[in-house]
Amino acid sequence: NAGVTQTPKFRVLKTGQSMTLLCAQDMNHEYMYWYRQDPGMGLRLIHYSVGEGTTAKGEVPDGYNVSRLKKQNFLLGLESAAPSQTSVYFCASTPREGSYEQYFGPGTRLTVT
Amino acid sequence: AQSVTQPDIHITVSEGASLELRCNYSYGATPYLFWYVQSPGQGLQLLLKYFSGDTLVQGIKGFEAEFKRSQSSFNLRKPSVHWSDAAEYFCAVGVGTASKLTFGTGTRLQVTL
Repeated sequence: NAGVTQTPKFRVLKTGQSMTLLCAQDMNHEYMYWYRQDPGMGLRLIHYSVGEGTTAKGEVPDGYNVSRLKKQNFLLGLESAAPSQTSVYFCASTPREGSYEQYFGPGTRLTVT
Repeated sequence: AQSVTQPDIHITVSEGASLELRCNYSYGATPYLFWYVQSPGQGLQLLLKYFSGDTLVQGIKGFEAEFKRSQSSFNLRKPSVHWSDAAEYFCAVGVGTASKLTFGTGTRLQVTL
């Protein structure tokens, strides 16, 4: 049981390039989340999903897109990376509505130059 | 909107000393409350949670936290800190729909030998 995994662990992009971060969970959780972590700002919610085929905006969605084509996977896309998107990205999941306890992946460190 | 405040950005304690990390939240009803720990380069691990009932909750690694409704606080404590406790600690509040969490900005704990 791997829990929540994230691919890749590290990435360096040039401004304007695109990339996709993959999150996978093997706990059969319905809800999944993408956060970004920046120094002194804690974790901020980018997008989330309450089930396969659904997505919704979080606190800081601009510049990101997401897809949840399969229940176990949640993809975060950057279409045209900007230096302001340099951050550590975390994926998390939770079983259902009202559960709140979220399980986190190990993170992806992204640098945009 | 709900908010979480961790007033201490950085705390240094000696190994063996007691520890208290502060967390205050702003929300009308009793929220679900969490403390997570993040070791350097790692994801977030749940230390403990409060949903209802006994206001003193026990967690992993010898940590405990006390919910005080009158003070809107959920402070984390440990009687005797170990060098391995050096990490960043996040308080989080679960409110509203989609089991979303709002995080504080974190407190970095340094342990001196």
